[in-house]
Amino acid sequence: SAVISQKPSRDICQRGTSLTIQCQVDSQVTMMFWYRQQPRQSLTLIATANQGSEATYESGFVIDKFPISRPNLTFSTLTVSNMSPEDSSIYLCSGVFNYDEQFFGPGTRLTVL
Amino acid sequence: GENVEQHPSTLSVQEGDSAVIKCTYSDSASNYFPWYKQELGKRPQLIIDIRSNVGEKKDQRIAVTLNKTAKHFSLHITETQPEDSAVYFCAASRGGSQGNLIFGKGTKLSVKP
Repeated sequence: SAVISQKPSRDICQRGTSLTIQCQVDSQVTMMFWYRQQPRQSLTLIATANQGSEATYESGFVIDKFPISRPNLTFSTLTVSNMSPEDSSIYLCSGVFNYDEQFFGPGTRLTVL
Repeated sequence: GENVEQHPSTLSVQEGDSAVIKCTYSDSASNYFPWYKQELGKRPQLIIDIRSNVGEKKDQRIAVTLNKTAKHFSLHITETQPEDSAVYFCAASRGGSQGNLIFGKGTKLSVKP
């Protein structure tokens, strides 16, 4: 499996600020995704990070709130904008290898005060 | 919309016993079904997967079965060990699209020594 890293691993932020999370993969992947996982909950897909074009967002998620970049095949960022306590969650990126095998980064634990 | 239901939500077994987790999906176009294991505070790890052209797949103590007609698939763990204790998530591909997964709500498995 590939190595996927994220930073920061955790952060505590003030309401109204923004945080950018970085995701780095050690080899080229066809697809990259961003998920949110609330405590003791399942994974919810936020968006597909498309290389060189705008991300594809799932229902309930919008670009103004969660802008995503993917400048190349191994790197992506997710920004959580104008944060509120409801945005407190774990954010995970993932990469798809071998057509459909999907591996996850270690996650970023975000707390918004 | 597409949905994946997972049962049971919690499962407690004695060490050495077998554990079975079941999932049903709604999207008839789903063709890829991975299972993830997530230990507390860790990332989800891909443990086994099955594609729609296969009815069963086994990897040591872990096996997965798929019934496409009934739209359900199951994870079987034999000779359980305390280190199998974790939350297990099933997932199904959405509309056959690469990497786009719908996750079940998870099963918390506890293996008592």
